[in-house]
Amino acid sequence: DQQVKQNSPSLSVQEGRISILNCDYTNSMFDYFLWYKKYPAEGPTFLISISSIKDKNEDGRFTVFLNKSAKHLSLHIVPSQPGDSAVYFCAASYGSSNTGKLIFGQGTTLQVKP
Amino acid sequence: NAGVTQTPKFQVLKTGQSMTLQCAQDMNHNSMYWYRQDPGMGLRLIYYSASEGTTDKGEVPNGYNVSRLNKREFSLRLESAAPSQTSVYFCASSPSPGAYEQYFGPGTRLTVT
Repeated sequence: DQQVKQNSPSLSVQEGRISILNCDYTNSMFDYFLWYKKYPAEGPTFLISISSIKDKNEDGRFTVFLNKSAKHLSLHIVPSQPGDSAVYFCAASYGSSNTGKLIFGQGTTLQVKP
Repeated sequence: NAGVTQTPKFQVLKTGQSMTLQCAQDMNHNSMYWYRQDPGMGLRLIYYSASEGTTDKGEVPNGYNVSRLNKREFSLRLESAAPSQTSVYFCASSPSPGAYEQYFGPGTRLTVT
């Protein structure tokens, strides 16, 4: 049973527009959420995170929103740039387990067209 | 500061062969992780080591063994490779078990024929 789901395998947007990547989760015990970005032939790199006690976290062009009642989070990229073209993974963690174990979604491939 | 390094980058094995994937980090992190990435499946945790001297199973441990050789190094061993183990393997580290941000290596692409 997939506890973290990214239902859109791919997304295409024009340069300068907003990109919105979505992620749903099923386990209400998750207390920390992260987004990773991955380019081909490289390892994932950390992008932005949010604690379950918050509903929004912003870092430059990237904003993550958390809706706990809907068990849904989203990543907004504004404005989108061609260099943002990559695979984006959302991940969730149980803080209480103290292991740092992350549960990843399947990933969404973002293409930003010039 | 190289971060997390993995060797080899590519490997082709025949069914039944064994091999060890090596991982090292130079960030003085306590926790280390092994993941596999398969198409449409995201990253799945194989094994992890919350601190030096400890190892635990993740979501998909069957067919693998690990060794936390010292604080820097965490190896993954396939004793008898199977085609189902064809995947891209990533090693990651984090400062402590409770620190959520993990730093990933570049990956090892393994093909088992």
